[in-house]
Amino acid sequence: GQNIDQPTEMTATEGAIVQINCTYQTSGFNGLFWYQQHAGEAPTFLSYNVLDGLEEKGRFSSFLSRSKGYSYLLLKELQMKDSASYLCAFMDSNYQLIWGAGTKLIIKP
Amino acid sequence: NAGVTQTPKFHILKTGQSMTLQCAQDMNHGYMSWYRQDPGMGLRLIYYSAAAGTTDKEVPNGYNVSRLNTEDFPLRLVSAAPSQTSVYLCASSSGRPDALTHFGNGTRLTVT
Repeated sequence: GQNIDQPTEMTATEGAIVQINCTYQTSGFNGLFWYQQHAGEAPTFLSYNVLDGLEEKGRFSSFLSRSKGYSYLLLKELQMKDSASYLCAFMDSNYQLIWGAGTKLIIKP
Repeated sequence: NAGVTQTPKFHILKTGQSMTLQCAQDMNHGYMSWYRQDPGMGLRLIYYSAAAGTTDKEVPNGYNVSRLNTEDFPLRLVSAAPSQTSVYLCASSSGRPDALTHFGNGTRLTVT
């Protein structure tokens, strides 16, 4: 079967670093996505990983290990505007996106 | 660019009523889809269309869709039920595996 899991909520301090984990199980895999969603707004694209390793994009980095079915999103130098939900999703063999429930990140001053 | 536009933003329906949620995109994307988003759950795909003139073979109970052109992908609730209370998100992409999925801001629908 297919499933995907991420923590429900995390809290971090402004200026700090936070890592949001995502684990998945699937027989067919065509990449893993991270999206950011502020309350009441549309999800917006953050990153895409299809090969193992770390992809860095400014303050945000995303890591993938296909053999472990594991990804994480790393946010550095946290800012208050980073308070949002972070959604991970993998693309299965039918090119359908399977979404996690999202991790609500709360940033405290 | 407008991207993906959804209307209305909010709506309240009574059980048994019908309504159409509108979705339009201006990026010439072939692939469009509808999701529902409920607290504590991942985005759940309701329906998708890979190109104008085509729709997914299986229609979930209580919904209907049409794709008459590339830009528009309306979702119709045939006879609303309280279980359909949700935030509905419309999305579009070029359909390539690495393509970005662009979302609308959603329609928050309450069925009483």
